[in-house]
Amino acid sequence: TQLLEQSPQFLSIQEGENLTVYCNSSSVFSSLQWYRQEPGEGPVLLVTVVTGGEVKKLKRLTFQFGDARKDSSLHITAAQPGDTGLYLCAGENTGFQKLVFGTGTRLLVSP
Amino acid sequence: ETGVTQTPRHLVMGMTNKKSLKCEQHLGHNAMYWYKQSAKKPLELMFVYNFKEQTENNSVPSRFSPECPNSSHLFLHLHTLQPEDSALYLCASSQDRAGLSYEQYFGPGTRLTVT
Repeated sequence: TQLLEQSPQFLSIQEGENLTVYCNSSSVFSSLQWYRQEPGEGPVLLVTVVTGGEVKKLKRLTFQFGDARKDSSLHITAAQPGDTGLYLCAGENTGFQKLVFGTGTRLLVSP
Repeated sequence: ETGVTQTPRHLVMGMTNKKSLKCEQHLGHNAMYWYKQSAKKPLELMFVYNFKEQTENNSVPSRFSPECPNSSHLFLHLHTLQPEDSALYLCASSQDRAGLSYEQYFGPGTRLTVT
């Protein structure tokens, strides 16, 4: 069974701080996706990384796929209250039409 | 607007009731999914449908019965549920494109409480 462990599980910070969320596995994935879920809603796709070592930026969010494609990180610069939510990573294997979801990181950004 | 709608948004049912959850996607996708999201657990895949055919049943108890009449609609029929089945049930869709990632688009979920 493939597992994706996210750390930290919970993070409470003040507006303007920087943070990094980690997504780790002992398994190799062909791609990795990051989602954000706000209370009362379903997860929304933020980004997909495919190539080992790939870095993608989405405004203040920077996503990186590990060189060995077993891990990923999400860095948020100058966090804002609107960044509050549950962040989920999800790994995919080529040819398998299903994602393995991580354990989740719940982020609270206070004004 | 994710293009995936779910009804009802909230449902309270007794253990002897029968109810159905509905999902509709307006994205032209050909794959649909049911997930269960419980507190302190990762998202659990329940069923996958591809072009209306079930391609994955992740050892889900028979008290959950999915139905996919076409590529745009997905139902989850519920009967004789247990209190531990209380959770957020999420529907998702994706486009099956060979060699490309199955990026999934989720609905808002149905918050189910079994009493």
